[in-house]
Formats: sequence, C-alpha cells, structure tokens
Amino acid sequence: QSVLTQPPSASGTPGQRVTISCSGSSSNIGSNTVNWYQQFPGTAPKLLIYSNNQRPSGVPDRFSGSASDTSASLAISGLQSEDEADYYCAAWDDGLYGFVFGTGTKVTVL
Amino acid sequence: EVQLVESGGGLVQPGGSLRLSCASSGFTFNDYWMNWVRQAPGKGLEWVANIKQDGSEKNYVDSVKGRFTISRDNGNKSLHLQMNSLRAEDTAIYYCVRDTWLSFDVWGQGTLVTVSS
Repeated sequence: QSVLTQPPSASGTPGQRVTISCSGSSSNIGSNTVNWYQQFPGTAPKLLIYSNNQRPSGVPDRFSGSASDTSASLAISGLQSEDEADYYCAAWDDGLYGFVFGTGTKVTVL
Repeated sequence: EVQLVESGGGLVQPGGSLRLSCASSGFTFNDYWMNWVRQAPGKGLEWVANIKQDGSEKNYVDSVKGRFTISRDNGNKSLHLQMNSLRAEDTAIYYCVRDTWLSFDVWGQGTLVTVSS
C-alpha cells in the first residue's frame, strides 16, 4: 500500500511550471531523504531526483526537488512534451522498516 | 554498461511457487544493497524486499513476509526472489533494483508474474 500521497494528475502547457506534491509522515519524509522517479508507459522507472534535491547525471536542470517537514515536492520548469509521464516519490520509512512509494502523478502536457 | 536483467517470470496457479533471478553486470555487485520492486497492471510502484551487501540483513513488505525470500549470490553477481504461496494480488511486473544511498539508481527491465487459475 502507498504511504505517501500524491495528486493523481497534473498538467500544463509547454513552457509552464508544474509542481507535484508528496505528503508523508514523521517516520518517512520527516526522517529520511526523498527520491523521485519518472516512468514512461511500458518502461522501467528512472531515478530523477535523489536526496531531496540532487539530480543524477543527465537529468535536465528543469527538474528540481525540495522537502520540508513531512512533505516534498517536484517542480518541472519549462514543461516540455517529452515530460509527459508518471512521477513517483519514495522514501525509507523507519516505522515500517522498508521503502514506501507515493501514489503516483500522471503529468500531461496540454 | 551497468545492467540488471531479470528472468523467471511466468504464469502460475494460486498457491504455487516461482523463483525470479536477476543477473548483474557492469558494476561491483557486492558493494550494493539490492531490492525487488513490483508494479501491478495499471497500478503504482510497491517495494517488495531488500538485502544487504553480504546477505546478512533482509527486509520485506508486510504483505509478502513468510511467503517470499530474497537472496543473493555474490560470486555469480545475481539476485533472487523465491515466491511461495502465490496469490492473485502478487500479479505484477517485478523489477530488480540497485540501491545507492537509499535511492534506486539502476533498474532492470522487469519480469511479469501472473497468478491465475
């Protein structure tokens, strides 16, 4: 079951800024860093942001992450058509002693 | 090239067993925690289990505890998931995933497990 809550969908026109929220609790986001994953239909997820706000090599700088208290967010600046995908947040949970994922957000480029 | 390749998925009846394998290449396998993550058809991601570099620590999501066993063979650079007492709700694509500092930085292509009579 998903312990982290995300909005089911988000959308924007090309060039706009889109933000996705991820709400958790003191045992996960409140205690550990948050990672974000991007998934296109029929493919494996890809690491997009790690340690709250770090981008792996090759990830465009229009993607940024932040976290505070028990919530985190992913921002996509200058939205592009190729950003249309599903996005998931994730973190380690000290209470469950396992990783938990967000419910997922489908981003649509209008 | 860093790569993870899963195998062993297929169709199994409820109550049956299946063993998944994951072959690694391009990195020092025994330097990393390894995980299994699954995704039911049309659903989100769910972490299943992980295992420490030397196999001395294993963790599982509650829904598979007592039924699934994660293991690794560092000599052959491979990861395994023994799945017993399978249920319809275990139907999913199972991904083998490398863990670097609590982030999943390398994913396999996945193997589909279907539990159905």
